[in-house]
Amino acid sequence: AQSVTQLDSQVPVFEEAPVELRCNYSSSVSVYLFWYVQYPNQGLQLLLKYLSGSTLVKGINGFEAEFNKSQTSFHLRKPSVHISDTAEYFCAVMGTSYGKLTFGQGTILTVHP
Amino acid sequence: DGGITQSPKYLFRKEGQNVTLSCEQNLNHDAMYWYRQDPGQGLRLIYYSQIVNDFQKGDIAEGYSVSREKKESFPLTVTSAQKNPTAFYLCASSIARYNEQFFGPGTRLTVL
Repeated sequence: AQSVTQLDSQVPVFEEAPVELRCNYSSSVSVYLFWYVQYPNQGLQLLLKYLSGSTLVKGINGFEAEFNKSQTSFHLRKPSVHISDTAEYFCAVMGTSYGKLTFGQGTILTVHP
Repeated sequence: DGGITQSPKYLFRKEGQNVTLSCEQNLNHDAMYWYRQDPGQGLRLIYYSQIVNDFQKGDIAEGYSVSREKKESFPLTVTSAQKNPTAFYLCASSIARYNEQFFGPGTRLTVL
């Protein structure tokens, strides 16, 4: 079994400030990890993914995430956010033995001017 | 352009009616998925298909049915047995089961 917990349901931040969206997971097997972004009334777009190798993963739009196996975390970071980053962000885990993608509940990031 | 299309974007249904949501992809992906999204609950898997003419139930399959007669198409029928069908429905596809998934734009279903 696997599960994902996104620790913050909403994160407000001012423009040009740094942001971190937290994600913890549990799984009995090795995992692949993903972050997706969803703009209102749209589908999900892949931001970045961790499959293997370097634990620091860089994605689109200036986002990056770090895989921490000992703490079972995959937090998403951006050093300076823009108004256009306002969206809902989903962390997801896939057990390498299961092939099933399990999503967290989502974090709504709101960037204020 | 390659991608996933879902239609219609908005759908209204009366209680007791079945309704079918369309999902088409031209990415030549083998695997396709249907998810349901409710506020604050993330995405939950309804059905998935790894190859043509084969599909499996996900976590919340009750009240839904699917077919996979063509590689590029994976329609979802929401039946009258689904007790609370109002939701945002997302279709996705991947090259194979263990690869990253690409999502369509979604269909918002409202039961009146």
